[in-house]
Amino acid sequence: GQNIDQPTEMTATEGAIVQINCTYQTSGFNGLFWYQQHAGEAPTFLSYNVLDGLEEKGRFSSFLSRSKGYSYLLLKELQMKDSASYLCAVRSPGGAGSYQLTFGKGTKLSVIP
Amino acid sequence: DGGITQSPKYLFRKEGQNVTLSCEQNLNHDAMYWYRQDPGQGLRLIYYSQIVNDFQKGDIAEGYSVSREKKESFPLTVTSAQKNPTAFYLCASSSRAAQPQHFGDGTRLSIL
Repeated sequence: GQNIDQPTEMTATEGAIVQINCTYQTSGFNGLFWYQQHAGEAPTFLSYNVLDGLEEKGRFSSFLSRSKGYSYLLLKELQMKDSASYLCAVRSPGGAGSYQLTFGKGTKLSVIP
Repeated sequence: DGGITQSPKYLFRKEGQNVTLSCEQNLNHDAMYWYRQDPGQGLRLIYYSQIVNDFQKGDIAEGYSVSREKKESFPLTVTSAQKNPTAFYLCASSSRAAQPQHFGDGTRLSIL
């Protein structure tokens, strides 16, 4: 089975740094994705990790430890527009050589002045 | 501009009625996906297709059907057998199954 856990909600201050954690137990692993989703809108791709370590992309960084089944998304210099839900998704093999994404329930981040 | 277009944005269904949600992409992507999102929940996979004329069931396929007659189109039909269809439906595509998925703007389906 697939199980992905993230905190339901977080609050952080404008200009600060916030870390959103994601733990997973999945049958098969072929990469971990982070998406941002503003209320009522579609998710947008933020980052992708397949090997252990840190991937940096501007104000956003994502870390993966496959042995621990753990990832985090780090957001620096928070801006009000960063208020959104952040979805952790694990890719694993499906049938007939395909891959599937399993999503966590998302972490709703509120940035306050 | 290249992208994924879902229509309509809002859709209402009467009891016992089938409805079809449209998804078109001009990104030349091989793989396409349908997800359902309920309030406070993650995305759940309904169906996916890696190539024309082929598709596989996801985790919650019951009460839904799809077709993939053209590379750019992957319509989803919500049948009367789906007893709780009210949700936000998202279509996604990727160049290959191993690449990041990109999403359309979604269709919000409600029951009258």
